[in-house]
This record gives sequence, structure tokens and C-alpha cells, in this order.
Amino acid sequence: RKEVEQDPGPFNVPEGATVAFNCTYSNSASQSFFWYRQDCRKEPKLLMSVYSSGNEDGRFTAQLNRASQYISLLIRDSKLSDSATYLCVVNMNRDDKIIFGKGTRLHILP
Amino acid sequence: NAGVTQTPKFRVLKTGQSMTLLCAQDMNHEYMYWYRQDPGMGLRLIHYSVGEGTTAKGEVPDGYNVSRLKKQNFLLGLESAAPSQTSVYFCASSYPAGEGDQPQHFGDGTRLSIL
Repeated sequence: RKEVEQDPGPFNVPEGATVAFNCTYSNSASQSFFWYRQDCRKEPKLLMSVYSSGNEDGRFTAQLNRASQYISLLIRDSKLSDSATYLCVVNMNRDDKIIFGKGTRLHILP
Repeated sequence: NAGVTQTPKFRVLKTGQSMTLLCAQDMNHEYMYWYRQDPGMGLRLIHYSVGEGTTAKGEVPDGYNVSRLKKQNFLLGLESAAPSQTSVYFCASSYPAGEGDQPQHFGDGTRLSIL
């Protein structure tokens, strides 16, 4: 099993719809989790951290399920500007090990 | 506050040439990283540093060397460039990974082509 796995997509979603991505991780000792957004030919940018109790930032909701070892990102009322690749990041918080998923591509359709 | 700055932004080299990519951060971060990103491969860690004067190998270190002589700078060197090193290179920095919720901050990348 890969350390961090994401569905590569692409997810083609009409504007205004709700879309959700999952990311699974293999090491139960993982302690910190993040979602990054990467636009075409640009650098990854932090979208949000993922906390154990779940957290929300506007239209974005992140959740962590330690028992099943996955994190999720929910985007409500999707906008054309949400089109990007979303990277899942898992931080072991030891051995300086940070693992990036390969990303899920999202296309919001007008 | 510039964050993480990479130079150059673009470069074309011939096979066998050498060059150095510079990464500078002004956030007083202990940790710095060099990644390469290729289509379909995601981000792959080349080398990283947990502090001034220290470096460590990542997932794909062969063909690259690094140096961290100053806390704010992390240099990536290609001694003899090969076409397989054509890629987009990203530098990142962060506070120590062991101190909890510490995301990485990225530079805007260097596009390197080896002919």
C-alpha cells in the first residue's frame, strides 16, 4: 500500500455543485495533515490544515478519520476558480518525514 | 515579506553542463527542502536540510548535491546535467516537522530544461 494515496481524477463538476475528495494514508503514526492546492504551472499553496475534530474554512471542510486512516476535503458551492489540483500531505512529525500525495485534479465546468 | 524565493525561474542547459539553483527564505525556518515535479509523478523529495550545516537525502538524490551554509539559503547543484533532470524544481521551507502542525511554504519554482 502506498504511503499516501489519492484518486487522480479528473473530477469534472458543474459550477455550484459539491465535491469531495478522500486521501488515504498507510502509517497510523502520522500526526499532521494538510490539503494543498496547486494551479497549473504554479507552486503548491497551503489550503488548510486538517484537525482531528474537523475544520471548516468558508466553503471548504476538512475531516480526519484516524480509525480508517483517511482525510477528506469537501468543497461546497464550487466556483470556476476552484479548478486546480488538490494535494494531500501527511506529516509523520518524526524522522522529518512529510509525504505528498500525487494530487486530485478538479475541473469546475461552467 | 518575500517568503521563499527561487532563482533562476527558467534555465536551459546542455547535457553535461553544471548549474546551481538558489533558494532563499526570510521566515527563519529551520527546515528546507528541494523537490522535483514531473507529469504524473507528483512531488518527489530530492534533498532536505533540518538546519544550517546539515543536509540529508530524500527520495531521488542521485545526480544532485546540496549545501546549507546559511540558515536562510539552500542550494541545489547539478554537477553534470542529464536530460532526465528536465523538470520543475520547487524549494520549500518550514519550522521543524516535529513541532506539530507546521506546513511547508513553497517557492514559485524553477523550470529547467536539459537538451
